[in-house]
Amino acid sequence: QQQVKQSPQSLIVQKGGISIINCAYENTAFDYFPWYQQFPGKGPALLIAIRPDVSEKKEGRFTISFNKSAKQFSLHIMDSQPGDSATYFCAARKTGANNLFFGTGTRLTVIP
Amino acid sequence: DAGVIQSPRHEVTEMGQEVTLRCKPISGHNSLFWYRQTMMRGLELLIYFNNNVPIDDSGMPEDRFSAKMPNASFSTLKIQPSEPRDSAVYFCASSLTGDNSPLHFGNGTRLTVT
Repeated sequence: QQQVKQSPQSLIVQKGGISIINCAYENTAFDYFPWYQQFPGKGPALLIAIRPDVSEKKEGRFTISFNKSAKQFSLHIMDSQPGDSATYFCAARKTGANNLFFGTGTRLTVIP
Repeated sequence: DAGVIQSPRHEVTEMGQEVTLRCKPISGHNSLFWYRQTMMRGLELLIYFNNNVPIDDSGMPEDRFSAKMPNASFSTLKIQPSEPRDSAVYFCASSLTGDNSPLHFGNGTRLTVT
């Protein structure tokens, strides 16, 4: 059973456009929501994370929007660049736990 | 800091053979995780350890899979006997315990069972 549902599975965006990836969860015990970025042949690496006490977090061109009542969160990549082409995973962690539950991933391709 | 080190990077084996994947976590990290990545299921947690003790192995698919962490600097994931459906990329990750501690992943072992 997938604890975190992610969409779309793949995404193609023109350079300079906005990339949007969505995730949803059911378990209200989740209190930490990171996004990981993975390049081919590499392991995932933390990109940005949010806690449910804020509705938005921005780091450079990357923004997480969080809707606690809807149990949804999304990653927005502004001014998308070819170097952003990678697989993105959303994840969630329960209070007091160490392990992460990952979404199934979104393969982003940014066309020059 | 060398990061999480996994070996081998690639493993090709025949069905029925034993496979052992190895992981050296980042020094000082006290949590270690084994994940499996496939196209269909994404990243699945197999097992994780805190201070060398297995905490949750509910993701280990079958008794054919076993994991050990004999000390703070080494862990193994063993599959015996291996089957073609075990073909995947296996990742090891480590972290400090604590709410804001990110997972640091190795570069994975790509396993192919023919």
